[in-house]
Amino acid sequence: AQSVTQLDSQVPVFEEAPVELRCNYSSSVSVYLFWYVQYPNQGLQLLLKYLSGSTLVKGINGFEAEFNKSQTSFHLRKPSVHISDTAEYFCAVSDGGYQKVTFGIGTKLQVIP
Amino acid sequence: EAGVAQSPRYKIIEKRQSVAFWCNPISGHATLYWYQQILGQGPKLLIQFQNNGVVDDSQLPKDRFSAERLKGVDSTLKIQPAKLEDSAVYLCASSRRTGGNSPLHFGNGTRLTVT
Repeated sequence: AQSVTQLDSQVPVFEEAPVELRCNYSSSVSVYLFWYVQYPNQGLQLLLKYLSGSTLVKGINGFEAEFNKSQTSFHLRKPSVHISDTAEYFCAVSDGGYQKVTFGIGTKLQVIP
Repeated sequence: EAGVAQSPRYKIIEKRQSVAFWCNPISGHATLYWYQQILGQGPKLLIQFQNNGVVDDSQLPKDRFSAERLKGVDSTLKIQPAKLEDSAVYLCASSRRTGGNSPLHFGNGTRLTVT
């Protein structure tokens, strides 16, 4: 069975400061990894994905994430956050078979002006 | 391309009543998912369709929840009878194909309140 752990439920950060949102996963097979963002009263939108190849993946809105197989992590980073980044961020893992996608509990990013 | 459409956006019902949600996926997307998102938690998969066949419904409470995907396109999710703990946002998502590398596209969800 696969699972996702998001270690921080809330992360406050000042505007223009860097941020890292942590994600660890477990799976018995090869995985694909995703970060989704959810703005209030909306569905989830894809930020970025790791499928294969380079372990550093870049997404929309200046976000990037690094896949670390030995540490089973896929942390999300942004060098300088903006007020508009205030949202909830979900890490997800897919098993690559019938694409059973498992989500973490989410991390609320609060950007402080 | 048009996104995933869901209706209604909000629904308030009393416990023991029934309710139905509708989803229209992105055109051409073979795989359709229903997720339940309880406040403070991540989305939990209820059921996954590949075209009009069920791939995974292991977490669907089948004594009260049912879902169908008509002709491999639209889908409805029904709860009968509803319980207080069913209060949640119900998200529909679709993907182009089954296979772990195909991202999910989500609708805006239906917020259900059971009183």
